[in-house]
Amino acid sequence: GENVEQHPSTLSVQEGDSAVIKCTYSDSASNYFPWYKQELGKGPQLIIDIRSNVGEKKDQRIAVTLNKTAKHFSLHITETQPEDSAVYFCAAGGKSSGDKLTFGTGTRLAVRP
Amino acid sequence: KAGVTQTPRYLIKTRGQQVTLSCSPISGHRSVSWYQQTPGQGLQFLFEYFSETQRNKGNFPGRFSGRQFSNSRSEMNVSTLELGDSALYLCASHRLSNQETQYFGPGTRLLVL
Repeated sequence: GENVEQHPSTLSVQEGDSAVIKCTYSDSASNYFPWYKQELGKGPQLIIDIRSNVGEKKDQRIAVTLNKTAKHFSLHITETQPEDSAVYFCAAGGKSSGDKLTFGTGTRLAVRP
Repeated sequence: KAGVTQTPRYLIKTRGQQVTLSCSPISGHRSVSWYQQTPGQGLQFLFEYFSETQRNKGNFPGRFSGRQFSNSRSEMNVSTLELGDSALYLCASHRLSNQETQYFGPGTRLLVL
């Protein structure tokens, strides 16, 4: 089955700096890669996703890049703000896994004011 | 549009007991997925239901089961509880496919003593 590795497990940045979280996946047939943000006491919330026919996608301060050859994808947050502090999860899924999502182990991001 | 609701939010049980958790998806969503979230294992997929049928299943023992009703509401049951079942159980709803945005509920936090 699919295996997703996520790094780093914790990340601390100064407000205004950029943050990058990286994930690798094992199943070359995976074609859907969402990113979720989880705040304390809440369920994960989708912040951006990318499909395998696209190499990069951007939404305001958030961008995701996908390298299918290397089987890795990354989340980039620019101009970080304290409200970006949360746990971020990457996930991968595709037809070969019955469309179910496999999640990374999460990155705890702390933005220092 | 109301979000995904899960009941109860908190639950304390003892080993050997059984528990039933409930999830009401977003109106119009026909698919419900369940996840177990623990600090050590992250988000692990339990199963997915679509139109009252289990469409996908994760690698959990048979003590974990679920069902979906005709109104798309779903329940999951854990029998013969073990200490290791203590976790946050998350439900996510989506319209049709796992490759669409999954909307998570706030979760049910289960503590097994």
